[in-house]
Amino acid sequence: EVQLFESGGGLVQPGGSLRLSCAASGFTFGSFALNWVRQAPGKGLEWVSTISGSGGSTYYADSVKGRFTISRDNSKNTLFLQMNSLRAEDSAVYYCAKSGVTLFGVITFWGQGTTVTVSS
Amino acid sequence: EIVLTQSPATLSLSPGERATLSCGASQSISNFLAWYQQEPGQAPTLVIYDASNRATGIPARFSGSGSGTDFTLTISSLEPEDFAVYYCQQRSTWPYTFGQGTKLEIK
Repeated sequence: EVQLFESGGGLVQPGGSLRLSCAASGFTFGSFALNWVRQAPGKGLEWVSTISGSGGSTYYADSVKGRFTISRDNSKNTLFLQMNSLRAEDSAVYYCAKSGVTLFGVITFWGQGTTVTVSS
Repeated sequence: EIVLTQSPATLSLSPGERATLSCGASQSISNFLAWYQQEPGQAPTLVIYDASNRATGIPARFSGSGSGTDFTLTISSLEPEDFAVYYCQQRSTWPYTFGQGTKLEIK
């Protein structure tokens, strides 16, 4: 059974940093691209970042480029999102999400999310 | 950036009725379109990928069609558990983008 468990969310002041983690199980971790997708309160979904199975390729939405860094540790089946220079508009539920093995860019499984609140 | 526009914003129907949800892309995305269902307080789940392929475990009453810039999600006969928000999403070009969602509510 596929499981994705996010952690690391919380309340942070504008300009601050947070590091989100996503612990995965139930699949061959290094074979799948992984993603972060966020949803602001009462709003729609926004694709934040993607990393290939090997970690060699990464992609970022313009809204977070230069501030967020996606990475993964395939030896520990864990995905990360380092978030720096946080802004109020980064407040959202952050979902860790797994792509299909041959479906890069399709999310076949979602974690339950971790909430980030950026406020003074 | 490819913009996806969903219509209607809200669709009010009764169980047993047919639902038709639309998603339009600002430029051609071939068939690289997915649909997700999100119930209140829950993470989304994949319904359709590559325009017309049902995801694992999705009932046959769900179907998707379209290519290029115009896409449709059809639910042939609504069940109570189908009332939720539906999002379309393209993977043709980075950045991947979602539509703003259609809320399917009980009439």
